[in-house]
Amino acid sequence: GESVGLHLPTLSVQEGDNSIINCAYSNSASDYFIWYKQESGKGPQFIIDIRSNMDKRQGQRVTVLLNKTVKHLSLQIAATQPGDSAVYFCAEPGGGNNRLAFGKGNQVVVIP
Amino acid sequence: DTGVSQDPRHKITKRGQNVTFRCDPISEHNRLYWYRQTLGQGPEFLTYFQNEAQLEKSRLLSDRFSAERPKGSFSTLEIQRTEQGDSAMYLCASSHGTSGSTDTQYFGPGTRLTVL
Repeated sequence: GESVGLHLPTLSVQEGDNSIINCAYSNSASDYFIWYKQESGKGPQFIIDIRSNMDKRQGQRVTVLLNKTVKHLSLQIAATQPGDSAVYFCAEPGGGNNRLAFGKGNQVVVIP
Repeated sequence: DTGVSQDPRHKITKRGQNVTFRCDPISEHNRLYWYRQTLGQGPEFLTYFQNEAQLEKSRLLSDRFSAERPKGSFSTLEIQRTEQGDSAMYLCASSHGTSGSTDTQYFGPGTRLTVL
């Protein structure tokens, strides 16, 4: 597969603004998608998930949008806070139902 | 804390030594997963257990790697004859799974391995 270096796509956002993080997935048959947040030195933390029979799902300050036509997933964070600074990964089933395949991470940096 | 726990959090070892990591899943989660993550990358699947049975292994899991979940609760991941390329974060996740569905996997804090 495509190699990814140490440089992650980075989104810098002012505290209080909304953030949008995008993810392109590869498998049109995937029926489940998850967004994880990973802070430095910690394991991935579940944020929100969505099944393929939905195109939008809302949580607390987060919304996930799914566009199956173009195989695109996005995570919207409302009123971004300093604690939202992290790397965000989208994930989909990676062959069978029992493994996850993670996309490229996106780094979010919140400017106070 | 009732989340997934891993021990140790950090391990530094010399090349050629064996190391063992432990994962305690969320109580009553029947599925347990091991992933490996290197700097700047997303986690990569290594292996998966349903209860005590190891049902799936990635090609990344060379013969130097072995994982067990003897009683269907905690799991261990052993790496024999460590190499510098084994340096990574080793993540454990667990889920409450039902047949035919993809479950939400909850991750532990990881064990960071450094092989000198």
